[in-house]
Amino acid sequence: GENVEQHPSTLSVQEGDSAVIKCTYSDSASNYFPWYKQELGKGPQLIIDIRSNVGEKKDQRIAVTLNKTAKHFSLHITETQPEDSAVYFCAADQGAQKLVFGQGTRLTINP
Amino acid sequence: DSGVTQTPKHLITATGQRVTLRCSPRSGDLSVYWYQQSLDQGLQFLIQYYNGEERAKGNILERFSAQQFPDLHSELNLSSLELGDSALYFCASSLGQLWDEQYFGPGTRLTVT
Repeated sequence: GENVEQHPSTLSVQEGDSAVIKCTYSDSASNYFPWYKQELGKGPQLIIDIRSNVGEKKDQRIAVTLNKTAKHFSLHITETQPEDSAVYFCAADQGAQKLVFGQGTRLTINP
Repeated sequence: DSGVTQTPKHLITATGQRVTLRCSPRSGDLSVYWYQQSLDQGLQFLIQYYNGEERAKGNILERFSAQQFPDLHSELNLSSLELGDSALYFCASSLGQLWDEQYFGPGTRLTVT
């Protein structure tokens, strides 16, 4: 089955700097890669996703890149703000609509 | 607010008991997913229903069962509860097509004492 590895587990950046979180997956048949943001006491919130026919997708300060050959994808957050502090999860589909999640990255933005 | 609702928000119960968690999907969504989030296992897929029928199964224990009703709301039943079942249980919903976005509810925190 699918296995998703996420790095780093914690990340601390200065406000205004960029943050990058990386994930690798094992199943070459995976085609859908969403990213979720989870704030304390809340459910995961979908922030961006990418499908295998696209190499990069951008939404304002957030971008995701996908390298299907190397089986890895990354989340890039530019001009970080204090409200970006949260736990971020990557995921990959495992057949149909089952999602396998990475272990999460706790991002802290220092003012 | 994702539009997915879950009740109750918190649940405290004893070992050996049975509980039911409830989820209402976003308006228009036909598919419901259940996930368990614990500190040691992370976010794990349990089961998916589409328009009342089971579509996919993950690491769901035999003591757990789910169903989706004609009005599309879903219930997750957990029985013979053990201390290790303490976790956050999330419901997510989607339109139900391949690679559709899944939107998560606020979760139910289950504590087994």
